[in-house]
Amino acid sequence: QVQLVDSGGGLVKPGGSLTLSCAASGFTFSDYYMSWIRQAPGKGLEWVSYISSSGSNKYYLDSVKGRFTISRDNAKNSLYLQMNSLRAEDTAVYYCARLLLGSGDYWGQGTLVTVSS
Amino acid sequence: EIVLTQSPATLSLSPGERATLSCGASQSVSSSYLAWYQQKPGLAPRLLIYDASNRATGIPDRFSGSGSGTDFTLIISRLEPEDFAVYYCQQYGNSLITFGQGTRLEIK
Repeated sequence: QVQLVDSGGGLVKPGGSLTLSCAASGFTFSDYYMSWIRQAPGKGLEWVSYISSSGSNKYYLDSVKGRFTISRDNAKNSLYLQMNSLRAEDTAVYYCARLLLGSGDYWGQGTLVTVSS
Repeated sequence: EIVLTQSPATLSLSPGERATLSCGASQSVSSSYLAWYQQKPGLAPRLLIYDASNRATGIPDRFSGSGSGTDFTLIISRLEPEDFAVYYCQQYGNSLITFGQGTRLEIK
């Protein structure tokens, strides 16, 4: 069955860096676009970034452009989000999701990122 | 960027009743790229509807989606206790993905 496992969250100081990972199994990872979506505490969902199946095309929310980098390793069935220059407003649960026709048909369990001094 | 506005913000109904949730877009959305999700506390969202009207795998037929252009609707025909949750619409267009702010469906 399709499974996505998010990891890498934690507490980081403002200006710091963190890399999130998403391990995929149960499907042909290299066939699908993948995405990161976040949810600040008590708030709604916010799309952060997505990447094409080959990794050649990447798209970002304006507020994270230049600070976050999405990548994937199709040989390892893994998705990543490198986050630099973190701000308090980046505090959220981050979910990876498989994209099918523009919608997230499977989601990871989420990993919490807290940016605080 | 296409802005999605969901209404109402909160909907209070009883089990067995019919729920109608709306999602309005600031500009026309390709109906192929309009989805609905359900989220329960502490859990990841679950895809209910894709392409505006197609139920995702395993979704009961009491959930239905409709609409086109700038107006979309999610209907839950007969509410079950497990349906009380937050619902989000989402669109994909012009290489960007946006979500509505959510509708909280609560037990009356």
